[in-house]
Amino acid sequence: IAGITQAPTSQILAAGRRMTLRCTQDMRHNAMYWYRQDLGLGLRLIHYSNTAGTTGKGEVPDGYSVSRANTDDFPLTLASAVPSQTSVYFCASRGQHTDTQYFGPGTRLTVL
Amino acid sequence: DQQVKQNSPSLSVQEGRISILNCDYTNSMFDYFLWYKKYPAEGPTFLISISSIKDKNEDGRFTVFLNKSAKHLSLHIVPSQPGDSAVYFCAATSGGSTLGRLYFGRGTQLTVWP
Repeated sequence: IAGITQAPTSQILAAGRRMTLRCTQDMRHNAMYWYRQDLGLGLRLIHYSNTAGTTGKGEVPDGYSVSRANTDDFPLTLASAVPSQTSVYFCASRGQHTDTQYFGPGTRLTVL
Repeated sequence: DQQVKQNSPSLSVQEGRISILNCDYTNSMFDYFLWYKKYPAEGPTFLISISSIKDKNEDGRFTVFLNKSAKHLSLHIVPSQPGDSAVYFCAATSGGSTLGRLYFGRGTQLTVWP
């Protein structure tokens, strides 16, 4: 593993189903983030975690939950998917003493 | 409320010429600014950044200029190459924040044609 990986690459999901997007980093970064990208809206922060064991809400947290059991993993869960959650989801991480975030390749999610 | 704005959704430039991408921000607490480049089906990649204590930062063909009084920054690419065709996102943050949250603009699609 090098950097940040996300899984799955893409997914089509029926509305009402539960889905977990996975994110793993091997850079030992303390801070991790989940963004969604929608056409014409740029990147919007869903949830973040400054360190293992802590999480916080971003700009658009409704319908999503996260956990941070360890430094490397930061899964994003949609408890009951809705069509408005159709988007491309990016995970990012940031090391200490820097403001630069590094992004994973993204997960394209379609909720029908 | 969009705190970082990229008012040009697209820009088309001929190969070899200069590309200038603009970004405005409203929050005077922002003190660190970044540009990301994004190709289709890939994640954003960090390109260049600038701290508010500087007004210019250069890295090869890429230069970022910051005008704090106008709350404006720009990314210059000289010379532009077809491989530079991508969506460019401007981002800003308050360096003193433990959250480290980045506020993104909506992006500018740059097309460099031969």
